[in-house]
Amino acid sequence: GAVVSQHPSRVICKSGTSVKIECRSLDFQATTMFWYRQFPKQSLMLMATSNEGSKATYEQGVEKDKFLINHASLTLSTLTVTSAHPEDSSFYICSAVAGADTQYFGPGTRLTVL
Amino acid sequence: QKEVEQNSGPLSVPEGAIASLNCTYSDRGSQSFFWYRQYSGKSPELIMFIYSNGDKEDGRFTAQLNKASQYVSLLIRDSQPSDSATYLCAVNIVSGGYNKLIFGAGTRLAVHP
Repeated sequence: GAVVSQHPSRVICKSGTSVKIECRSLDFQATTMFWYRQFPKQSLMLMATSNEGSKATYEQGVEKDKFLINHASLTLSTLTVTSAHPEDSSFYICSAVAGADTQYFGPGTRLTVL
Repeated sequence: QKEVEQNSGPLSVPEGAIASLNCTYSDRGSQSFFWYRQYSGKSPELIMFIYSNGDKEDGRFTAQLNKASQYVSLLIRDSQPSDSATYLCAVNIVSGGYNKLIFGAGTRLAVHP
């Protein structure tokens, strides 16, 4: 149980385009999902908390207009990187909460912006 | 600023030995503690969680929690080369009315044959 999927697993796009990443909880419902970013050889950085039916809560320093989060159902949250630039290239990972507070991670999406 | 501290390593142990990974945290109000394993290029995978003081065992893994000392550790018995990965300690905090995890930077474990 507690399986989380992400799609796509890898994406390459041109600078200035927008990219949407989907995060799904496959065998449980998740009121809360999280979005993280990880640069090479660094730890996870929490970007935002996504709550079903309400606006996402962004961490300090994360641009909410650039990283759009939608949590439309109890099994799906999406992250859209708008007007992507090379510095947005990173490993984006979502997690979904099962039970009280246990986070299960998706496999991640590697974004490369040319 | 809530913090979680881990030794970055690498921690090198021979195959079959016990690997001991340590973590300290700053928020005395934290109640939930997690260990994740992350292989290079992959996302974190949950190993264990622990809520109560003392030891919790699951197969070759034992998590230990001491809330008075704000210390949590992970022991890996009979270490295998496949255990070579980065181990992330995570502590749950409540911020702005929401639960979220604060991660340590991770300890890199290398198990050599």
